[in-house]
Amino acid sequence: QKEVEQNSGPLSVPEGAIASLNCTYSDRGSQSFFWYRQYSGKSPELIMSIYSNGDKEDGRFTAQLNKASQYVSLLIRDSQPSDSATYLCAVKPRSSASKIIFGSGTRLSIRP
Amino acid sequence: DVKVTQSSRYLVKRTGEKVFLECVQDMDHENMFWYRQDPGLGLRLIYFSYDVKMKEKGDIPEGYSVSREKKERFSLILESASTNQTSMYLCASTRGGSYNEQFFGPGTRLTVL
Repeated sequence: QKEVEQNSGPLSVPEGAIASLNCTYSDRGSQSFFWYRQYSGKSPELIMSIYSNGDKEDGRFTAQLNKASQYVSLLIRDSQPSDSATYLCAVKPRSSASKIIFGSGTRLSIRP
Repeated sequence: DVKVTQSSRYLVKRTGEKVFLECVQDMDHENMFWYRQDPGLGLRLIYFSYDVKMKEKGDIPEGYSVSREKKERFSLILESASTNQTSMYLCASTRGGSYNEQFFGPGTRLTVL
């Protein structure tokens, strides 16, 4: 079992709809969770971090964390074509002082 | 804002050459990382450093070495470049402690011919 799993997609969502991206992780003691956005040919850009159960909202983005079920999700409201990118989920395991483990990413495509 | 810079955006080298990739961060971060990213394989950690002159192997250290002589600078060295090291190389840094967000540089696309 991979430490951090994401559906590779592509996930196709109509413009203006809600895009929902999911991620599961294997280390129950994981403490920190991150979502990165990566445009083709560019480096990953941090868009959200979440540390406690529940929802965290930042503009059109909402991160949701459920430690009991070991999943973290990212919702993008009012999806725009500029949201088309690969979204990487990353998790800091309990055993790690500073390393984080990245999922392989979900490719999101927003169709006009 | 955290700024992480990398010495080159694109680099073309020949098989057997020694290659240096440099990364500099300006936020006094303790930890620095080198990854490579290949289609279908995701981000793979090569080496990381948690302090000056300190380093730890990541998941794929073979064929690479690193150097951290100053806190702000972390270098990746390909001792003898091979074609299978053609990849996108990404440097990242993080403050450490309770703050684990990694901030990435723009990446270096290395082609080994």
